[in-house]
Amino acid sequence: SQTIHQWPATLVQPVGSPLSLECTVEGTSNPNLYWYRQAAGRGLQLLFYSIGIDQISSEVPQNLSASRPQDRQFILSSKKLLLSDSGFYLCAGTGGMTNSPLHFGNGTRLTVT
Amino acid sequence: QKEVEQNSGPLSVPEGAIASLNCTYSDRGSQSFFWYRQYSGKSPELIMFIYSNGDKEDGRFTAQLNKASQYVSLLIRDSQPSDSATYLCAVNAGGTSYGKLTFGQGTILTVHP
Repeated sequence: SQTIHQWPATLVQPVGSPLSLECTVEGTSNPNLYWYRQAAGRGLQLLFYSIGIDQISSEVPQNLSASRPQDRQFILSSKKLLLSDSGFYLCAGTGGMTNSPLHFGNGTRLTVT
Repeated sequence: QKEVEQNSGPLSVPEGAIASLNCTYSDRGSQSFFWYRQYSGKSPELIMFIYSNGDKEDGRFTAQLNKASQYVSLLIRDSQPSDSATYLCAVNAGGTSYGKLTFGQGTILTVHP
């Protein structure tokens, strides 16, 4: 079965600082990978998805970027954080089959101060 | 804009009762439907998925799908205090959507002893 690893669990960063969140996947080859953000008291917003190495699609224009340098590694980055980047960041993956369920990592709670 | 709508609640039921959670979706071409449970501060956890019209049962949980009405529901029988959480409905358009899920805002369920 697929396991999604995310770190760190919590992060406090000042405005204007860079960000790098990493996600790795176990148990599945060639997964589809996703970054979601959940703002406090709100639903999950899809930020990026990837169907393969170096194949990234952005769902919303924003201050963030994503990269997939290896099949089972997905990275979320920012050069300069904004206050509005605060939230709960979730990496998720599927087995790559149409209609496969999404499985989430434990998430990173980011507070930008 | 593809939308998934849920009543935010809170829905409060006594222990042992049936909790009924509802979700509607706007994309008539949606192919797969998921229910996730999210405890406060934690990542979403997959409970059920359903692809075909009708009912699907798994233990105390039953998912119901009516594609003509664009409606999916989750019934929790013999509700327990440990079922208290936010329940997220998610929809996958299938096809070339690459497994992307659109989530509702979630329904807060409280089961009181």
